[in-house]
Amino acid sequence: AQKITQTQPGMFVQEKEAVTLDCTYDTSDPSYGLFWYKQPSSGEMIFLIYQGSYDQQNATEGRYSLNFQKARKSANLVISASQLGDSAMYFCAMRENSGGSNYKLTFGKGTLLTVNP
Amino acid sequence: GAVVSQHPSRVICKSGTSVKIECRSLDFQATTMFWYRQFPKQSLMLMATSNEGSKATYEQGVEKDKFLINHASLTLSTLTVTSAHPEDSSFYICSARELWGAADTQYFGPGTRLTVL
Repeated sequence: AQKITQTQPGMFVQEKEAVTLDCTYDTSDPSYGLFWYKQPSSGEMIFLIYQGSYDQQNATEGRYSLNFQKARKSANLVISASQLGDSAMYFCAMRENSGGSNYKLTFGKGTLLTVNP
Repeated sequence: GAVVSQHPSRVICKSGTSVKIECRSLDFQATTMFWYRQFPKQSLMLMATSNEGSKATYEQGVEKDKFLINHASLTLSTLTVTSAHPEDSSFYICSARELWGAADTQYFGPGTRLTVL
């Protein structure tokens, strides 16, 4: 079974509107971390936001927020007030903290976001 | 945020030659670095985990004699693609584990695009 599932291969949003990118995960480890990265066409991976499994509140970083629903095992990324520069591939990733994981990240297949003017 | 550099950004080589890619953490020490490979329009595939002062841990199916990894210092890891062939052409991207803060985040280099003729 896939550990990280991103069901939206592509998403379109109008400039200045909000958009939600979906991510569900699968783990039996009680301690884990969830990450979102942005990859523009240049190829660099840009860290956006982090949510720990024990965090009580949803993470926020500027226009990015993470809608963490632990019981549903979902960690959706919400981008508010979309900008043209937000057009990129977005990857959800998970790090399981159990011994032996060596802090590896498991990535989803990504969602290509296109912001229309 | 933490900065990771990668050199070269792009390399074209002849089949049979070896190529070395450097990954440096510029403003933090990284005891653990990771090497990924990414094919066009696909997600990142972890190749190996590089720990300073010890042998790298390779993922299943990755040839350790083909992809040599050296993590000689807390700020530098190198990936050498030995006897490169056209099927090794890909985007190689490294990350460095940054321990400060709760996130224990991996920060990525800008990637290296390898083309083997």
